[in-house]
Amino acid sequence: DAMVIQNPRYQVTQFGKPVTLSCSQTLNHNVMYWYQQKSSQAPKLLFHYYDKDFNNEADTPDNFQSRRPNTSFCFLDIRSPGLGDAAMYLCATSRGLGEGGEKLFFGSGTQLSVL
Amino acid sequence: GQNIDQPTEMTATEGAIVQINCTYQTSGFNGLFWYQQHAGEAPTFLSYNVLDGLEEKGRFSSFLSRSKGYSYLLLKELQMKDSASYLCAVMDSNYQLIWGAGTKLIIKP
Repeated sequence: DAMVIQNPRYQVTQFGKPVTLSCSQTLNHNVMYWYQQKSSQAPKLLFHYYDKDFNNEADTPDNFQSRRPNTSFCFLDIRSPGLGDAAMYLCATSRGLGEGGEKLFFGSGTQLSVL
Repeated sequence: GQNIDQPTEMTATEGAIVQINCTYQTSGFNGLFWYQQHAGEAPTFLSYNVLDGLEEKGRFSSFLSRSKGYSYLLLKELQMKDSASYLCAVMDSNYQLIWGAGTKLIIKP
């Protein structure tokens, strides 16, 4: 049974047209993360939530926003997608922030194409 | 700056053994993770090392030397399904995960 679910699996949007990616989890984990990963590159952390506490990475563009309306759901909003935003977007969860070696549970990812 | 180095690509033969190395320079250390990522899919957890030594888990083993800033992932009895990228990630003193770019492992029959 999928524990971290991302929808859709593939998303095509137009240059400049807002798009929202969704993530849900059945693990009841406190932390939810959004990563951006381009081909053959390391995942890049965009932001994370610890419960409702939002933490933005310093180099995450303002074009990227996130919402976590409850424990189970988290959304990634890209306000004006550019060609450089085409990537795999990975949602992940963990019980805590890393103390004691908390591993991440990833969703299957959303592959975003920008035309 | 913080840095994780691992080879870009490796090739091995089905049934053989392969060792994927990872060296790191980070601000502090709170553990090292290995994840497997098949093409177009999400990473899945393989192993976690926080103390020096070897952790064995079936066909996969992971080794850590904190003094050398070095780890390796050892895969035995390689199978075609092991063709994937293997990502090394280190948790720094702020519990931030620093990721390597991954090693693409190609298994040949």
